[in-house]
Amino acid sequence: ETGVTQSPTHLIKTRGQQVTLRCSSQSGHNTVSWYQQALGQGPQFIFQYYREEENGRGNFPPRFSGLQFPNYSSELNVNALELDDSALYLCASSPGQVNTEAFFGQGTRLTVV
Amino acid sequence: DQQVKQNSPSLSVQEGRISILNCDYTNSMFDYFLWYKKYPAEGPTFLISISSIKDKNEDGRFTVFLNKSAKHLSLHIVPSQPGDSAVYFCAASAFSTASKLTFGTGTRLQVTL
Repeated sequence: ETGVTQSPTHLIKTRGQQVTLRCSSQSGHNTVSWYQQALGQGPQFIFQYYREEENGRGNFPPRFSGLQFPNYSSELNVNALELDDSALYLCASSPGQVNTEAFFGQGTRLTVV
Repeated sequence: DQQVKQNSPSLSVQEGRISILNCDYTNSMFDYFLWYKKYPAEGPTFLISISSIKDKNEDGRFTVFLNKSAKHLSLHIVPSQPGDSAVYFCAASAFSTASKLTFGTGTRLQVTL
C-alpha cells in the first residue's frame, strides 16, 4: 500500500507566475484535501475534493484552484503568484469525507521570489 | 480568529517521563479531534484521534483526553522517548464541514536524555 506522494518537493517561482502541484492519494482513498502551512503556523485548509467534485473551501482567493482525477489523484493550481504564497503545501487523503483521519504527503515547499 | 489553540510553543521533558501537550478550542461544532506529529521536511503523521462521544482514547504510549465542557483536549505520552521529539499539532473537524481540519499552531516537544 503506497502512501500519499507529492511532486515536486521544492519549487521556486517568480511573482506573477502560475504553478501546479500534484498529489497521488493513498490507495483506496477517495477524498483529497490541500493545506497551506506558513512558517511557524499550523496547516490552513485550502479546499477538499471528493469523487472529483470540490467539497468545501477555506478562506483562499479564487486564484487557488484544483482538480481531482478519476484515480483520485489531485492538482493544486495557483495563478498570479504573490510573495505571501511562499509556504509548504500539503496534500492529505482520507477514506471518507466525515470524521476520519487524513494522511499527509511530505509536502511541496514553494518559494515565490 | 484562532479556533484551535496550542498555547505552549515548546515543551522539554526528560526521557522516560510523561509528556503532556494541551489544546483548547472555541468552536462548539467541533466533534472530532486529532493529533499529528511532524518532523522537519516531512508531512504531518497521524497519531491518535477522539470523537466527541468519548472522553479518552488510548493507543500504546499515547492517550488523548477530551473535556468537552472546558473545550480542552490533551495528549499524554508515557514514557517519552527521544524519537518523540517533534512538533505536535492538534486538529479538529466538524461533521457539518466534512473532513476539513482546523489546526493549532503546534507545540515543539524536546525529549532529553
